[in-house]
Amino acid sequence: GDSVTQMEGPVTLSEEAFLTINCTYTATGYPSLFWYVQYPGEGLQLLLKATKADDKGSNKGFEATYRKETTSFHLEKGSVQVSDSAVYFCALSSGSARQLTFGSGTQLTVLP
Amino acid sequence: NAGVTQTPKFRILKIGQSMTLQCTQDMNHNYMYWYRQDPGMGLKLIYYSVGAGITDKGEVPNGYNVSRSTTEDFPLRLELAAPSQTSVYFCASSSSDQPQHFGDGTRLSIL
Repeated sequence: GDSVTQMEGPVTLSEEAFLTINCTYTATGYPSLFWYVQYPGEGLQLLLKATKADDKGSNKGFEATYRKETTSFHLEKGSVQVSDSAVYFCALSSGSARQLTFGSGTQLTVLP
Repeated sequence: NAGVTQTPKFRILKIGQSMTLQCTQDMNHNYMYWYRQDPGMGLKLIYYSVGAGITDKGEVPNGYNVSRSTTEDFPLRLELAAPSQTSVYFCASSSSDQPQHFGDGTRLSIL
């Protein structure tokens, strides 16, 4: 079945540091790929998405590129802020109802 | 614009009790989903629905039931609560070509 493997955390960075969170996937067909963010006590919010190979999703300074050849969708940000502290989930959608398969999540803490 | 609304936000149950977690969306989405999130883990799909009157099992359906009598509502039923069902439950909805929108979750403890 489909699966998502995500870089284990937690990750602690200083403000303005560069962020990379690795994500690789296994899927049949051509899934859409997503990054969701979860702030404490809240539900998941869509951060960015990509629907086909070589697409780049971007939002709020975060970027990720759909790499079919390496089955990867790594999340990057050039300069993190304290407000970026949250849990980040990589996910893919597949199936007739486009159900999501999630990675285990990466806790990011950014220190001032 | 409320989006996806889940009630209650918190609940403590005793083993063997039953309860229904409510989920309502006001975006006229056809697709609705229930996930559970265990500590340090990603979300796992319990049940989903592609429209009123149609439901199907996800990855972890045992111990749960759902119904979808209207487009807006997708309640999740626990019949005989067990400690293994202690988790945070998220409802989500989407249209056919859009990402899923999530509710804020229901934190359920079974003691």
